[in-house]
Amino acid sequence: NAGVIQTPRHKVTGKGQEATLWCEPISGHSAVFWYRQTIVQGLEFLTYFRNQAPIDDSGMPKERFSAQMPNQSHSTLKIQSTQPQDSAVYLCASSFRLGGEDTQYFGPGTRLLVL
Amino acid sequence: AQKVTQTQTSISVMEKTTVTMDCVYETQDSSYFLFWYKQTASGEIVFLIRQDSYKKENATVGHYSLNFQKPKSSIGLIITATQIEDSAVYFCAMREDNTNTGKLTFGDGTVLTVKP
Repeated sequence: NAGVIQTPRHKVTGKGQEATLWCEPISGHSAVFWYRQTIVQGLEFLTYFRNQAPIDDSGMPKERFSAQMPNQSHSTLKIQSTQPQDSAVYLCASSFRLGGEDTQYFGPGTRLLVL
Repeated sequence: AQKVTQTQTSISVMEKTTVTMDCVYETQDSSYFLFWYKQTASGEIVFLIRQDSYKKENATVGHYSLNFQKPKSSIGLIITATQIEDSAVYFCAMREDNTNTGKLTFGDGTVLTVKP
């Protein structure tokens, strides 16, 4: 079984440019999560979807960041007007269903560098 | 608010020995789930083992086991017969049993080095 797929694996953008990160969850998983990892902040939750609907975006920066899940096979995280402080590894995870005994499985991450 | 604390920044052990990594957590919920993940040198985050708060028995998977002490809000990870390839960063995480959020809260991680 394929795990969570994230593309691209690495992305370099210039300050002020837009970055779109893609995630394909494990087939059959109905919950998708986005996290961000930096040296300073560690692993931080950003947002999650259940059955494609946004449920909790409490970790998302209010400006410039948005996430969508247009269908059950992919989710996107978009960062507008990227800033150097957005440099991080962005991780997508999926789980079979939310609630109960569900484990989140992580993708390999997208390493974003904003110059 | 939930919080997870890993006090050990790094641990170094000899191959084939047993290591314990500590983790304490804070939550207001009576039902929650605890997880250990490992992050390899390539950056891959791999699920290792979980403990559900309502289960009294400590979870065991392969050479990983947990020491769950609920009154102390503690969930230690024990790795027996360590191997070189166990060298990684180990993260403890918690998820509250709340249908309005599924987020994991992570500790800062413990770097494990296994020496030959």
